[in-house]
Amino acid sequence: DAGVIQSPRHEVTEMGQEVTLRCKPISGHNSLFWYRQTMMRGLELLIYFNNNVPIDDSGMPEDRFSAKMPNASFSTLKIQPSEPRDSAVYFCASSKTSGSRETQYFGPGTRLLVL
Amino acid sequence: AQSVTQLDSQVPVFEEAPVELRCNYSSSVSVYLFWYVQYPNQGLQLLLKYLSGSTLVKGINGFEAEFNKSQTSFHLRKPSVHISDTAEYFCAVSERQGAQKLVFGQGTRLTINP
Repeated sequence: DAGVIQSPRHEVTEMGQEVTLRCKPISGHNSLFWYRQTMMRGLELLIYFNNNVPIDDSGMPEDRFSAKMPNASFSTLKIQPSEPRDSAVYFCASSKTSGSRETQYFGPGTRLLVL
Repeated sequence: AQSVTQLDSQVPVFEEAPVELRCNYSSSVSVYLFWYVQYPNQGLQLLLKYLSGSTLVKGINGFEAEFNKSQTSFHLRKPSVHISDTAEYFCAVSERQGAQKLVFGQGTRLTINP
């Protein structure tokens, strides 16, 4: 079985540009999570979806960030406009159900550098 | 709200030595507890989790952890480490009855020296 797939793996962009990160969860998983990892703040949950519906977006930093899940096999995280402080590794994870005991399976991450 | 404290940011040990990575948590409600491992340039992978029952939990790669409710701790141990265990280790909690949100500690970088 393929794991969680993220693209691109690396992204370098200039301040002010739009950035779109993509995620394909494991087939059959109903929950999808977006995390951000930085040296200063560690791993932070940005937003998560159950059955394609956003449940909690309290971790989204500001209006420049938006996330969508148009169907069960695809999600995007968009930053517009991007800023240097958005530089981080962004992880997508998925789990089978919405229970808090469920294991989350992480993708390899997208390393974003905003110049 | 929950919080997780990993007491050591870096732990260097020699190959075949035992290791303990410490994790303490704070929560006003009952929680599930997790340890994840992150190898260089990879995503996180579950090592083990405590849901209920025996407080000693065994995971993959020879790791185990013990839940101590009175001390609110969930320390990770391995009796003999290998070079391949070099990675960053994250302790995390989630509410038993609440939202499906993992709260992570800051991570402990385990370095194995030959």
